[in-house]
Amino acid sequence: TQLLEQSPQFLSIQEGENLTVYCNSSSVFSSLQWYRQEPGEGPVLLVTVVTGGEVKKLKRLTFQFGDARKDSSLHITAAQPGDTGLYLCAGGGSTNAGKSTFGDGTTLTVKP
Amino acid sequence: DARVTQTPRHKVTEMGQEVTMRCQPILGHNTVFWYRQTMMQGLELLAYFRNRAPLDDSGMPKDRFSAEMPDATLATLKIQPSEPRDSAVYFCASGWAVSAGKDEAFFGQGTRLTVV
Repeated sequence: TQLLEQSPQFLSIQEGENLTVYCNSSSVFSSLQWYRQEPGEGPVLLVTVVTGGEVKKLKRLTFQFGDARKDSSLHITAAQPGDTGLYLCAGGGSTNAGKSTFGDGTTLTVKP
Repeated sequence: DARVTQTPRHKVTEMGQEVTMRCQPILGHNTVFWYRQTMMQGLELLAYFRNRAPLDDSGMPKDRFSAEMPDATLATLKIQPSEPRDSAVYFCASGWAVSAGKDEAFFGQGTRLTVV
């Protein structure tokens, strides 16, 4: 079974601060997705990383896939209240296309 | 604006009653997932389909849960009989998976089920 551990579980910061959340596993993934979920809504896909060492930027969000494709990080610069939500990472299986393993998520609160 | 549509958004039912949740996946997607989300367990995969064929339903309690795709535009998840421990948010998601390299899923807004 491929497991993904996310840390920290909860994070509360002030607007304007920077933060990094992590997604770690002992398994290798063919791809890794990051999602953000707001209360009462379904998760929304933010990004997919595929290549070891890959870095992708989405405005103030920077996503990195580990060289060995076992871990990933999400860095947010100058956080805003609109960034508040549950951030989930999901790893794609190497042998079972379409079936991803989800981490338990990081709940981020950005206070104005 | 393509999106996954789930109905109903909310359902309150009494223990022992049958519950049916419906999902319209994004047109053209070949993979459909059913997930359950609770505070304790997070997101759990219940079942998924590829080209309407069930691929894996190992996450689903077989005695009371059933999932089907009668056609490419409709997926259903049925619970019979329902129990209070089934209370959760149930998400349907769809995606286009042709190889093990980009397993993206697009989620609906979920059905919040409460069994009393």
